[in-house]
Amino acid sequence: QSALTQPASVSGSPGQSITISCTGTSSDVGSYNLVSWYQQHPGKAPKLMIYEGSKRPSGVSNRFSGSKSGNTASLTISGLQAEDEADYYCCSYAGSRWVFGGGTKLTVL
Amino acid sequence: EVQLVESGGGLVQPGRSLRLSCAASGFTFDDYAMHWVRQAPGKGLEWVSGISWNSGSIGYADSVKGRFTISRDNAKNSLYLQMNSLRAEDTALYYCAKDMSLVGSGTFDYWGQGTLVTVSS
Repeated sequence: QSALTQPASVSGSPGQSITISCTGTSSDVGSYNLVSWYQQHPGKAPKLMIYEGSKRPSGVSNRFSGSKSGNTASLTISGLQAEDEADYYCCSYAGSRWVFGGGTKLTVL
Repeated sequence: EVQLVESGGGLVQPGRSLRLSCAASGFTFDDYAMHWVRQAPGKGLEWVSGISWNSGSIGYADSVKGRFTISRDNAKNSLYLQMNSLRAEDTALYYCAKDMSLVGSGTFDYWGQGTLVTVSS
């Protein structure tokens, strides 16, 4: 069960936009519209940010958006703020199981 | 307010067993699938196991299949994970997570704070 592939780190300055990619295969990301994204601050539990590829839960800022093309899903954060600095994980359904990406550390410069 | 409170973690020797529990409140427990997700120290998230609302659909990661058993008691609003034949690589913080759907969509909308399992001699 290979993890989805995410960049280890990304960075951006306040106010800028960044995009985190999540690459899977035709057996997971490419086959299902069930990709979710989670934000995790140090020592805290993960928080749902995007589900079903592009939907935002109530209470999540509209600065967060999701998309998918083929076997790759993406999370875009616009208008970067200091509090966005955290680890981000993607997750996809893979047929009777779920698989996470390795995580991306976002640094706000 | 949705609350998920895990318990049962601790230090255990390789080859031994441990049973984790997750007490749920603040929502209709038997309306949702539930999952266990773990995170080894300094590492990423790993889905471990999931169970549908009525226990009719259950799944496991290959890394724990045959050793771990997930179950739920809807009358007690509780989720469990029986872990047998524990290995050093099972050392992790184990999170209980609520799914957004009955059968399991893999959208984990609420998480507990986790219970730490350490497997070491």
